[in-house]
Amino acid sequence: NAGVTQTPKFRILKIGQSMTLQCAQDMNHNYMYWYRQDPGMGLKLIYYSVGAGITDKGEVPNGYNVSRSTTEDFPLRLELAAPSQTSVYFCASSYSSASGGPGGSTDTQYFGPGTRLTVL
Amino acid sequence: RKEVEQDPGPFNVPEGATVAFNCTYSNSASQSFFWYRQDCRKEPKLLMSVYSSGNEDGRFTAQLNRASQYISLLIRDSKLSDSATYLCVVSFGNEKLTFGTGTRLTIIP
Repeated sequence: NAGVTQTPKFRILKIGQSMTLQCAQDMNHNYMYWYRQDPGMGLKLIYYSVGAGITDKGEVPNGYNVSRSTTEDFPLRLELAAPSQTSVYFCASSYSSASGGPGGSTDTQYFGPGTRLTVL
Repeated sequence: RKEVEQDPGPFNVPEGATVAFNCTYSNSASQSFFWYRQDCRKEPKLLMSVYSSGNEDGRFTAQLNRASQYISLLIRDSKLSDSATYLCVVSFGNEKLTFGTGTRLTIIP
């Protein structure tokens, strides 16, 4: 198993450009997540998905969009890049059998290697 | 007040020493607790879950005190490979996993 993969590893964008961060997992996990991590800060949840076709906002969703057309893929879209979106982006996945969302006592989140994004 | 609060460190500890970190959380409804480890410029990885009865995994011991709303991690006989940032993570049993900012540990030879 490759686990959780993310592309690209690094990217520099100009203000106003758009891009899609790719995330895929091959562990047949139902839950997937996008986080951002700023220097000296904890991970902040951007969006999450409990299964194909279902997505929901996290703590910091503004400026981002997601889709989940398959169980394996969970791309994150930045439509109009801003300097405040300079960050490291981590995708994660987990398997949860609990209803009502992830974060139950058995959930272990597996993270991808991250995408380092700079917006200039 | 932050939802999950950790001492950022850095903790510089000689090899072989014992080191302990604490983490406090503000929401008494929190249900699940974890310690994740993050190496420099890498992704976080689960180190261990934290249970009410306390749990041990080799040189690592985690404790939960619900009354005082804090979690601790103890590392005994520290190794150079233990150098990393340790993230305290709290879950409310729903979609929200809240991460602390992390405690940076450096083991000195």
